Amino acid sequence: GAVVSQHPSRVICKSGTSVKIECRSLDFQATTMFWYRQFPKKSLMLMATSNEGSKATYEQGVEKDKFLINHASLTLSTLTVTSAHPEDSSFYICSARSAGANQPQHFGDGTRLSIL
Amino acid sequence: RKEVEQDPGPFNVPEGATVAFNCTYSNSASQSFFWYRQDCRKEPKLLMSVYSSGNEDGRFTAQLNRASQYISLLIRDSKLSDSATYLCVVGPNDYKLSFGAGTTVTVRA
Repeated sequence: GAVVSQHPSRVICKSGTSVKIECRSLDFQATTMFWYRQFPKKSLMLMATSNEGSKATYEQGVEKDKFLINHASLTLSTLTVTSAHPEDSSFYICSARSAGANQPQHFGDGTRLSIL
Repeated sequence: RKEVEQDPGPFNVPEGATVAFNCTYSNSASQSFFWYRQDCRKEPKLLMSVYSSGNEDGRFTAQLNRASQYISLLIRDSKLSDSATYLCVVGPNDYKLSFGAGTTVTVRA
């Protein structure tokens, strides 16, 4: 159980392109979803937290107009990197969590984004 | 000071050996503790939650020391498939988690 699917797994595109990444919880209702990015050999850094039907809460230093997050249903959240530039190249990972105490976060497969 | 600190390793051990490592955290209000494993260029996968009394899951044992603010992971009878990076994850609750940069374990035949 607790499967989270993330798509696409790999994106290579030109600078200035907007990229949309989907995160789906396949077998549970994800009341909260999280978006992280990870640079090589570094820890995951939380970008934003989103609750279904609400606006996302962004971490300090993360531009909300740059990284658009939509959590329209209990099983789907999307992250759109708008007008991506080479410095946005990274590994983006979503996680999802169901309601209740002591629920762990379950991670998607991650999206490796490369901006040329 | 980082919120979560781990010895990056690598810990190189032979098959069948026992390997253990710690992770320290800075926020004394932390209530949620997890160990995740991450294989190279893959997503983190939950290994186990860490409870106050310590807990065991097969060959893996996790301990929490609140007084000294660290958690530990011990792997007994290491298998080749245990080779991975182990992420220490800590937070005041299940929503606001901080990740360590990971401890790399390599089990050799």
